[in-house]
Amino acid sequence: DTGVSQDPRHKITKRGQNVTFRCDPISEHNRLYWYRQTLGQGPEFLTYFQNEAQLEKSRLLSDRFSAERPKGSFSTLEIQRTEQGDSAMYLCASSLAANPLSVGNEQYFGPGTRLTVT
Amino acid sequence: SQELEQSPQSLIVQEGKNLTINCTSSKTLYGLYWYKQKYGEGLIFLMMLQKGGEEKSHEKITAKLDEKKQQSSLHITASQPSHAGIYLCGALSWGYGQNFVFGPGTRLSVLP
Repeated sequence: DTGVSQDPRHKITKRGQNVTFRCDPISEHNRLYWYRQTLGQGPEFLTYFQNEAQLEKSRLLSDRFSAERPKGSFSTLEIQRTEQGDSAMYLCASSLAANPLSVGNEQYFGPGTRLTVT
Repeated sequence: SQELEQSPQSLIVQEGKNLTINCTSSKTLYGLYWYKQKYGEGLIFLMMLQKGGEEKSHEKITAKLDEKKQQSSLHITASQPSHAGIYLCGALSWGYGQNFVFGPGTRLSVLP
């Protein structure tokens, strides 16, 4: 296991379609994060999991977005009824955290999934 | 909510020159992380600072945390073309729950 992997790397979809991205974290990491990044900006936090529990979700996150981490290993991020404004790089990161209240250690990022909505 | 500002927004230096990038927080910092990103790729972890006055170095990159000023600086000595990229600072944000915020990034170009 050499790092965080994401699939697909690129996705082009038409407006109104649903898309799903997958993230496989570093195997021993119990915390998993999703971010969105647009050109010229830093990553914007979307949500994070401690094992299989989704502990935090950005208030800015539309209800068209949903994330799961069913067995505390890989995670999926689904966007329903995509809009052109959803076009961005979607980044996944993982880290070790002792417990849900822990600050956690440094996050290791995957290469990202670049979504283009036409 | 917490916000991070970075300066400068972009930087072009000649190879061999020293440079400094700053990150300022709008709220108290509970740890500050520095990352590097190549265009279109994921972030690479550089360093984490947790205590005021803490300083860490990795190869030719040194980062410091000034907790009182809610500020961190990243210094690169004798820059090389391999240092080129986008440098991002990140911090844990306590607002409505816990999340993580990033600055907008500083784009560094190193001319050979």
